[in-house]
Amino acid sequence: EAGVTQFPSHSVIEKGQTVTLRCDPISGHDNLYWYRRVMGKEIKFLLHFVKESKQDESGMPNNRFLAERTGGTYSTLKVQPAELEDSGVYFCASSQEKGGRTDGYTFGSGTRLTVV
Amino acid sequence: GIQVEQSPPDLILQEGANSTLRCNFSDSVNNLQWFHQNPWGQLINLFYIPSGTKQNGRLSATTVATERYSLLYISSSQTTDSGVYFCAGLDRGSTLGRLYFGRGTQLTVWP
Repeated sequence: EAGVTQFPSHSVIEKGQTVTLRCDPISGHDNLYWYRRVMGKEIKFLLHFVKESKQDESGMPNNRFLAERTGGTYSTLKVQPAELEDSGVYFCASSQEKGGRTDGYTFGSGTRLTVV
Repeated sequence: GIQVEQSPPDLILQEGANSTLRCNFSDSVNNLQWFHQNPWGQLINLFYIPSGTKQNGRLSATTVATERYSLLYISSSQTTDSGVYFCAGLDRGSTLGRLYFGRGTQLTVWP
């Protein structure tokens, strides 16, 4: 089966511009998560979709970040306008089960975002 | 609160050496697991190990949940083992699937 796909793999944008990251989860996985790793720090949770609904968006840093999941399939994460501190690697993960056993988590390869 | 702490932050080895990575976690964390971020950025799930010991090839992991720590052992390390190793767990008091990660151990294996 295809894994979790993210694109672009890399993006370099100027401060103030807009960037949209995309994640295609494993087909049939209701749960989709976004995480971010800022250089040298831990991977931090951003938000969690169950199908098309936002289950938990407590990790979203501010209102410059907007996540959507159209029809419960792929998801986009838009940053507008981008700031320097938004640089980092953005990971998407999907799973079938919401909690408990999480060995069903599959992560994508991440999008490395650099804001200059 | 929810805490996941890893040590050491950096580890440099010669090929063939063994290593042990440690993860301490607070009482509010369970369902511990280990991930490897390889040099290409991919985040690979190594072990789901809420307790006990598991082995997969040269890698093995042990979690002693009662003492709130987990260990990842890498034997006969190879250059392909390089990358960042993360441990992560769930909030015991939540039904959501949000993972809490440590800061990782950066492993460099030299030929």
